[in-house]
Amino acid sequence: ILNVEQSPQSLHVQEGDSTNFTCSFPSSNFYALHWYRWETAKSPEALFVMTLNGDEKKKGRISATLNTKEGYSYLYIKGSQPEDSATYLCASVNQAGTALIFGKGTTLSVSS
Amino acid sequence: ETGVTQSPTHLIKTRGQQVTLRCSSQSGHNTVSWYQQALGQGPQFIFQYYREEENGRGNFPPRFSGLQFPNYSSELNVNALELDDSALYLCASSLDRAGDTQYFGPGTRLTVL
Repeated sequence: ILNVEQSPQSLHVQEGDSTNFTCSFPSSNFYALHWYRWETAKSPEALFVMTLNGDEKKKGRISATLNTKEGYSYLYIKGSQPEDSATYLCASVNQAGTALIFGKGTTLSVSS
Repeated sequence: ETGVTQSPTHLIKTRGQQVTLRCSSQSGHNTVSWYQQALGQGPQFIFQYYREEENGRGNFPPRFSGLQFPNYSSELNVNALELDDSALYLCASSLDRAGDTQYFGPGTRLTVL
């Protein structure tokens, strides 16, 4: 994988549903993996920075896992709420450690 | 603690003109990175400044240039604007390199006519 890829591109769930997204990134020369939440008309908000294979991080109802050997990360949202509606971006840090290489994001819409 | 701010919020220019976008970094942060987000794409890395020096550059032509000032605020300058430069420009500040959490501003929406 040369680029950072995210799936699905978008999804729509009902309030209370749990959901998950996938981020695939180059596994060679891995440095760090970032997750951001971006609500419309706001700044992207940092969720997690993950560096170690097998790492699991949690923030409220949102959690993420990391597999650096196979080059993927999962973001989970438990019991989705309308306020979780946003675009979720993942980004791999480039080999030089200077830049975030972003995927196109997964746009989540939660209906009440 | 003041967050990252950007100005202006929106800007309309015509092809061939020059534009300057500004970013004030979060207090205590010495690194600023700039990204371009075109419609339907993820943010693309333009360049990074660390302590007033360029510290990395993405695949953008030389007409994209920048500055970082002693107070760590930053400017992005784009010369000879092209229609494809229409995008949202984001800046992000961090304590150090991209391995650290980056704190983003709300962006400047540039439209080139």
